[in-house]
Amino acid sequence: DAGVTQSPTHLIKTRGQQVTLRCSPKSGHDTVSWYQQALGQGPQFIFQYYEEEERQRGNFPDRFSGHQFPNYSSELNVNALLLGDSALYLCASSLARMTAYNEQFFGPGTRLTVL
Amino acid sequence: AQTVTQSQPEMSVQEAETVTLSCTYDTSESDYYLFWYKQPPSRQMILVIRQEAYKQQNATENRFSVNFQKAAKSFSLKISDSQLGDAAMYFCAYRSAQGGSEKLVFGKGMKLTVNP
Repeated sequence: DAGVTQSPTHLIKTRGQQVTLRCSPKSGHDTVSWYQQALGQGPQFIFQYYEEEERQRGNFPDRFSGHQFPNYSSELNVNALLLGDSALYLCASSLARMTAYNEQFFGPGTRLTVL
Repeated sequence: AQTVTQSQPEMSVQEAETVTLSCTYDTSESDYYLFWYKQPPSRQMILVIRQEAYKQQNATENRFSVNFQKAAKSFSLKISDSQLGDAAMYFCAYRSAQGGSEKLVFGKGMKLTVNP
């Protein structure tokens, strides 16, 4: 049973460029969340996708956008990259339920460096 | 807004001994979840233990246990019989139990070193 996978593992971009990060959820999961983890910090919630729609969003500018596909995989897009966007980007998946707790499983992350 | 604070950036423990990691949080909600996650050098965030706020009994998972003090908004993790594989970054996290939110609010983390 494959867990959460993310690609690429590492990425180097320059300021002003655009980047797309990809996430495949754990088998059977339908909800994907994205987090940004700056060096020496805890992860910060960017947004969550469910049924191909953004369900919840953290305090991130519109430069950060996402998409969820019918197969539940997801992309995170960042436009007009800034040096401060350099971070580890984590994807987490879960199975949405109307009641009870549903655990999130994390992927290994994509390390983005902006020069 | 909810906040999570981990005031100790680093700790070390001898193999086979016990160590306690501290965490405090702030929220106006009464129903929520608290977590401890482990992040080894491989970067993958791994759930160590979970506590539901409505439960008075402290959660336990093998060598890991928590001390949940709801009134004090304190949530510490005790690791017994520490092993070399416990060395990692540890993050305390909060999640609301209202409105179906799955957003996790993390602390800054604490680096645990286990000495042989």
